[in-house]
Amino acid sequence: AQTVTQSQPEMSVQEAETVTLSCTYDTSESDYYLFWYKQPPSRQMILVIRQEAYKQQNATENRFSVNFQKAAKSFSLKISDSQLGDAAMYFCAYRSANHMRFGAGTRLTVKP
Amino acid sequence: DAGITQSPRHKVTETGTPVTLRCHQTENHRYMYWYRQDPGHGLRLIHYSYGVKDTDKGEVSDGYSVSRSKTEDFLLTLESATSSQTSVYFCAISILSSYNEQFFGPGTRLTVL
Repeated sequence: AQTVTQSQPEMSVQEAETVTLSCTYDTSESDYYLFWYKQPPSRQMILVIRQEAYKQQNATENRFSVNFQKAAKSFSLKISDSQLGDAAMYFCAYRSANHMRFGAGTRLTVKP
Repeated sequence: DAGITQSPRHKVTETGTPVTLRCHQTENHRYMYWYRQDPGHGLRLIHYSYGVKDTDKGEVSDGYSVSRSKTEDFLLTLESATSSQTSVYFCAISILSSYNEQFFGPGTRLTVL
């Protein structure tokens, strides 16, 4: 079964600085999708960014970008120009077919 | 917003009582999912549905059952709630696109005393 590992339970960043959240996964499949979700204190799960495994180009959404290393099975999230509103739990997720697996999450604190 | 609502949003119940959580969607998505969220585990799939009356188990299905008699409603039932089922429960739908990404409801916090 696929597993998703987020090795950083907690991270902190100064406002306006850049932070990178790590995610690794284990799979024998070649066709899959990767996602980062944000969960603020409201508890709502919000899709931040997505990546197809067959695309070499790293996805970017405004201040959010990923570093996708398929051979290393690594999918890190970079947040640039961090804002107070970025404070949340961040979950990395792996999807193939109809199943999605999530990492345990990283709690990001943004310091003013 | 994928038009997903969950009810109730909060519930406190006692061990041994039956509990049903409801997920409702307004956009006729075929695939629906129930997850539970616990500290240190992220979200784990309980059951999912790929159509009316078509359901299958996820990785943590023991103690849970589901039903889907209409496209828009997906029910999760705890036949006899236990304290280990205290959790936050999320419903999700899958958008049929190149990514098949999932979008989530607001969650239900269930406490079993």
